[in-house]
Amino acid sequence: EVQLLDSGGGLVPPGGSLRLSCAASGFSFSSYAMSWVRQASGKGLEWVSSISGSGGSTYYADSVKGRFTISRDNSKNTLYLQMNSLRAEDTAVYFCAKVVMAGATQGDYWGQGTLVTVSS
Amino acid sequence: NIQMTQSPSAMSASVGDRVTITCRASQDISNYLAWFQQKPGKVPRHLIYDASSLQSGVPSRFSGSGSGTEFTLTISSLQPEDFATYYCLQHKSYPLTFGGGTKVEIK
Repeated sequence: EVQLLDSGGGLVPPGGSLRLSCAASGFSFSSYAMSWVRQASGKGLEWVSSISGSGGSTYYADSVKGRFTISRDNSKNTLYLQMNSLRAEDTAVYFCAKVVMAGATQGDYWGQGTLVTVSS
Repeated sequence: NIQMTQSPSAMSASVGDRVTITCRASQDISNYLAWFQQKPGKVPRHLIYDASSLQSGVPSRFSGSGSGTEFTLTISSLQPEDFATYYCLQHKSYPLTFGGGTKVEIK
């Protein structure tokens, strides 16, 4: 059974940093691209970032480019999102997901979401 | 970047109604279009992939159509459990982009 368990959210002041993690199981982790998607309270879904299976290619939304870094450790079956220079508008629930990549579909698997709150 | 314009943003419908939601892409995305359903407090559910293919376990009253720049999600006969928010997502190229969402409410 595919499982994605995301963690690492919390309260952080503006300008601060946070690292999210997503522990994956039940599939060949290194064979699949992975993504982070976020949702601010009462708002729509926003794609944040994706990474190829090998980790060699990374992609970002314009809103987080230069501040967030996606990475993965295939030996630990874990996806990460390092978030720096956080802003109030980054406040959202962050989901890791194995759903789609550019040009392909990858199923319907989501983490339960982890809440990031940026506030002083 | 590819923009996705989804309409309507909200609608009221009754059980048994036929519901149609539209997504327009700012450029040709072939059939790299997915539809998601999300209920309050829940993770999204992937309903349709490749514009018209049903994910496993999704009821047949859901269907998708379109290619290029115009796409449609249709619910043939709305059921009580279908009241939710629906999103399209283009995955032709990065950055991936969601539509703004359509909230389907009970009339």
